[in-house]
Amino acid sequence: GAVVSQHPSWVICKSGTSVKIECRSLDFQATTMFWYRQFPKQSLMLMATSNEGSKATYEQGVEKDKFLINHASLTLSTLTVTSAHPEDSSFYICSASNPRLGTYEQYFGPGTRLTVT
Amino acid sequence: AQKITQTQPGMFVQEKEAVTLDCTYDTSDPSYGLFWYKQPSSGEMIFLIYQGSYDQQNATEGRYSLNFQKARKSANLVISASQLGDSAMYFCAMTKGGGYQKVTFGIGTKLQVIP
Repeated sequence: GAVVSQHPSWVICKSGTSVKIECRSLDFQATTMFWYRQFPKQSLMLMATSNEGSKATYEQGVEKDKFLINHASLTLSTLTVTSAHPEDSSFYICSASNPRLGTYEQYFGPGTRLTVT
Repeated sequence: AQKITQTQPGMFVQEKEAVTLDCTYDTSDPSYGLFWYKQPSSGEMIFLIYQGSYDQQNATEGRYSLNFQKARKSANLVISASQLGDSAMYFCAMTKGGGYQKVTFGIGTKLQVIP
């Protein structure tokens, strides 16, 4: 199988603080992971592509200095929301694919619900 | 650029009946992958089915089938014998190439199964 976990599942933080979200591939190695953001009743919007051992590639309009991504190992990528503001409140989801499984499926984490007060 | 269009914001279906969720796409890439994901209220994204642009036959996975009409650029999801647990948001999505790349999502269709 291919399982992706996220931690924490939900977090509440005060405006101006930073929050780190972890995304782990539990039973496979993921050279590439993706970070998405989903506002209520909207679709998933890709924020960035996280590559192990190199800098992340951010989508247009996503502030790389605000959303720091680190892919330090083949099983872990982290997203840090720096100086969070209420408008950053959202559902953040990561995903990873494993070409070695021979399927094209992207495996999604369960998501992290961030609320900034 | 890739674009996914889902024109049904909400759908109702009677339990045990079949339902079709519409999806059209636009891309200039000759090679692409099409997906359907289910998102229940808990939030996790559940993979349902995949169709490659070069696949000759429509994909099927249990009660799910993908009606792939390449010329019309449509990839409708058919759910047979609907169950109450099928009530959720359904997202059509696509990737460039084989599918190991970033996913572009449609806005989703909310399906409600009526007992």
